[in-house]
Amino acid sequence: AQKITQTQPGMFVQEKEAVTLDCTYDTSDPSYGLFWYKQPSSGEMIFLIYQGSYDQQNATEGRYSLNFQKARKSANLVISASQLGDSAMYFCAMRASGTYKYIFGTGTRLKVLA
Amino acid sequence: EAGVVQSPRYKIIEKKQPVAFWCNPISGHNTLYWYRQNLGQGPELLIRYENEEAVDDSQLPKDRFSAERLKGVDSTLKIQPAELGDSAVYLCASSLEGYEQYFGPGTRLTVT
Repeated sequence: AQKITQTQPGMFVQEKEAVTLDCTYDTSDPSYGLFWYKQPSSGEMIFLIYQGSYDQQNATEGRYSLNFQKARKSANLVISASQLGDSAMYFCAMRASGTYKYIFGTGTRLKVLA
Repeated sequence: EAGVVQSPRYKIIEKKQPVAFWCNPISGHNTLYWYRQNLGQGPELLIRYENEEAVDDSQLPKDRFSAERLKGVDSTLKIQPAELGDSAVYLCASSLEGYEQYFGPGTRLTVT
C-alpha cells in the first residue's frame, strides 16, 4: 500500500533562513510522482513543486527545491530565504504512475518568525 | 485564467439536513476530484471523475453521499442526511490528464 509520512507536525524558522520539511513515502510502484502543496489559512491548496521518480535531478522552483533521495524514499522540501508569507501548512503527496489518485501526508505547520 | 471555483465557502446546517456543494473546474481540465479534509489532516479522496465518468469512488460513503458531473464540467457533491462527523472542509480539484492538481478554496461545512 502507498503511504506518505510527515513526521514534523510543526516547525519554526527565522525569516530569511532556510528550512527543510521532511517527507518519506512508501510504494512498490517503480514509477510515481511526488508533490508538495502549501495551504495557507485561507484554505486553498497551492501546488509548489513536482518530482518524478525517474527524474535525475532534484526539482527546483524559485525558492523551493525538492531533496529527492530515492533509495531512502524521501522527498524533503527545502525553502530558502524564508518569508513571513511562507507561514502555512505544507503537504507532501504521491501519485502512482498510471493512476490519477493522490495520497497526502498529514502535513507540517510552518511558522516563520520575524 | 480562472481557477477552480467552489461554492458556498461556508455552510452551517443541523444534523439530518441535506447539503450540496458545487465546483467549477479550470476550463479544459478533464479530471475532477472531491476531497474531504478533517481538521489537522491531509485531504482524503472521496471521488474522482474523468470527464463525466466516476472512475474512483471507493472512499465515498454511498449511503449518504452522492456526486455528479454533468457534461464533464461542473460537479455537485451532496450529503443527505448530514451527520456531525461530516463537519470538514470539502475540497474540489481539477487536473489535465492527471498532471498537477489545482485546488479550489474549499467549502467549510459545520454540522450542529
